[in-house]
Amino acid sequence: NAGVMQNPRHLVRRRGQEARLRCSPMKGHSHVYWYRQLPEEGLKFMVYLQKENIIDESGMPKERFSAEFPKEGPSILRIQQVVRGDSAAYFCASSPRIHDSSYEQYFGPGTRLTVT
Amino acid sequence: GEDVEQSLFLSVREGDSSVINCTYTDSSSTYLYWYKQEPGAGLQLLTYIFSNMDMKQDQRLTVLLNKKDKHLSLRIADTQTGDSAIYFCAESLSGYSTLTFGKGTMLLVSP
Repeated sequence: NAGVMQNPRHLVRRRGQEARLRCSPMKGHSHVYWYRQLPEEGLKFMVYLQKENIIDESGMPKERFSAEFPKEGPSILRIQQVVRGDSAAYFCASSPRIHDSSYEQYFGPGTRLTVT
Repeated sequence: GEDVEQSLFLSVREGDSSVINCTYTDSSSTYLYWYKQEPGAGLQLLTYIFSNMDMKQDQRLTVLLNKKDKHLSLRIADTQTGDSAIYFCAESLSGYSTLTFGKGTMLLVSP
């Protein structure tokens, strides 16, 4: 059973370009979370999605950032017009949502975005 | 508000026990987690504890929870050089599914 897959593992973009980060959850998992880790910081929650639904996007910057989890295919985190401050490691996690108040999140290896 | 604090660095010798501490502020936290991150890698879930428990043991790992003081600790017995990594404490709130992380404690194990 493959774990959470993220690609690319490393992404370099110039200021003003778009970055697309992909996440395939573990088999059987229907809940996806995106977190951002700035250098020497902990992970900060960005967005929580189920298939075709955004459940909680309270951690997403208001502009330039968007996320989706379509019925088919991976979840996508999209950053438009990237700036140097977007340079970070972006982690995706998935969970099976065992019941309403309990879950375990399994993390992917992350995508390290560098904006030059 | 939500806040999770950890000491930033811990150095131990191989074979000693390591104790990593964490404090959190939200008394409604339901689940508390310990994750391990090795260089350049993702996060690996080590263990978690429900807020109605005081202690949980899993092989070399012992988690202690003092709910009154909002203090969580992770003890690693017989620490090995392969345990060198960053350890993150995280909490989740009842009925709220996302994780709030501390900044991580870097554990360095010397031979």
